Amino acid sequence: GESVGLHLPTLSVQEGDNSIINCAYSNSASDYFIWYKQESGKGPQFIIDIRSNMDKRQGQRVTVLLNKTVKHLSLQIAATQPGDSAVYFCAEKSNTGKLIFGQGTTLQVKP
Amino acid sequence: NAGVTQTPKFRILKIGQSMTLQCTQDMNHNYMYWYRQDPGMGLKLIYYSVGAGITDKGEVPNGYNVSRSTTEDFPLRLELAAPSQTSVYFCASSPRDSRNEKLFFGSGTQLSVL
Repeated sequence: GESVGLHLPTLSVQEGDNSIINCAYSNSASDYFIWYKQESGKGPQFIIDIRSNMDKRQGQRVTVLLNKTVKHLSLQIAATQPGDSAVYFCAEKSNTGKLIFGQGTTLQVKP
Repeated sequence: NAGVTQTPKFRILKIGQSMTLQCTQDMNHNYMYWYRQDPGMGLKLIYYSVGAGITDKGEVPNGYNVSRSTTEDFPLRLELAAPSQTSVYFCASSPRDSRNEKLFFGSGTQLSVL
């Protein structure tokens, strides 16, 4: 079946360093990918998305990279700040139209 | 805009009780969704709606019902609460041209069934 998995359940980084959160997906026909941030006690918040016709997309301090060859998605956060501490989810939209969420990676930012 | 608003934020139910989780959005979005989030797990789709009067089952619909009488409101009903329905519930919406894309989420309802 379809699945989306994140490589590490927890990532700890020093404030000011860059963070890289990884995600593997299973459906090579998926054409849309999205990253969400979820702070404690809150709903998921949209960060950035990318379509399969792109390899890279940049936002404010965030970059999403898509490697379709190995079915891998990553979220890079530049100059990580304490406010970036949260759970990060990737999701893929499969060719059936379903949005499938991964389990999440907890990002801990050390001062 | 308030975005997606869910009520209540917390609720404890006894087995067999019923309740309705409320969800409303003020963004005039066509698509609305209900997800549940269990600890350490990804979001699972319960039901969704592509517009007023139209609803459809998601991945885990058993034990739930929905209705969509207006564009703004999408309540989720639990008829006979069971411990397996203990979870955090999120309502979401997305615009007309963004089915299953760029969802806007509410802040969630934490439900415990004891």
